[in-house]
Amino acid sequence: EAGVVQSPRYKIIEKKQPVAFWCNPISGHNTLYWYRQNLGQGPELLIRYENEEAVDDSQLPKDRFSAERLKGVDSTLKIQPAELGDSAVYLCASSPPLWIGDTGELFFGEGSRLTVL
Amino acid sequence: KNEVEQSPQNLTAQEGEFITINCSYSVGISALHWLQQHPGGGIVSLFMLSSGKKKHGRLIATINIQEKHSSLHITASHPRDSAVYICAVDSGSQGNLIFGKGTKLSVKP
Repeated sequence: EAGVVQSPRYKIIEKKQPVAFWCNPISGHNTLYWYRQNLGQGPELLIRYENEEAVDDSQLPKDRFSAERLKGVDSTLKIQPAELGDSAVYLCASSPPLWIGDTGELFFGEGSRLTVL
Repeated sequence: KNEVEQSPQNLTAQEGEFITINCSYSVGISALHWLQQHPGGGIVSLFMLSSGKKKHGRLIATINIQEKHSSLHITASHPRDSAVYICAVDSGSQGNLIFGKGTKLSVKP
């Protein structure tokens, strides 16, 4: 079974440019998360989706960050315009519905490493 | 003070040694996760536990809810165990994990 797929793996842009990241979660996983991980730090939640609904976006910097999960499957995370401080790894994770008996384990993608020059 | 503290931050061991990584937290939790992150960014879930002890191969995770402490043990360590090990706690809302900063483990042959 395919895991969580993210693209691109690496992206280098100049500041003030836009950038978008794509995530395809594991089939059947209704919960999708975007995390940001700075060097030497643990991941920080940006946004969590239950199906197509964003149920927690309190940590998403809404002035420049946006995300969508239109059909409750794939998701995109966009930054416009990017700033130097946005350089980080952007991780996508998914988990299956708890009602099918799972314990809420998270499955992570490989991450998208962004460098803003 | 961080809500999830890991120790040590860095750990170097010789192949074959028994390794312990500790995690202390200050919030009430429904579950605690141990994750492994290799260079390149991918994170793999090792354990999710809410009480007691779990074992998978050479890895053992324990948790003491009363003391708000968990340990990850690696027996007969191997260079391929070199990675960053991250402790994360679920404070009650599924997936809203609070992550520690990680412990960077390097196992020398």
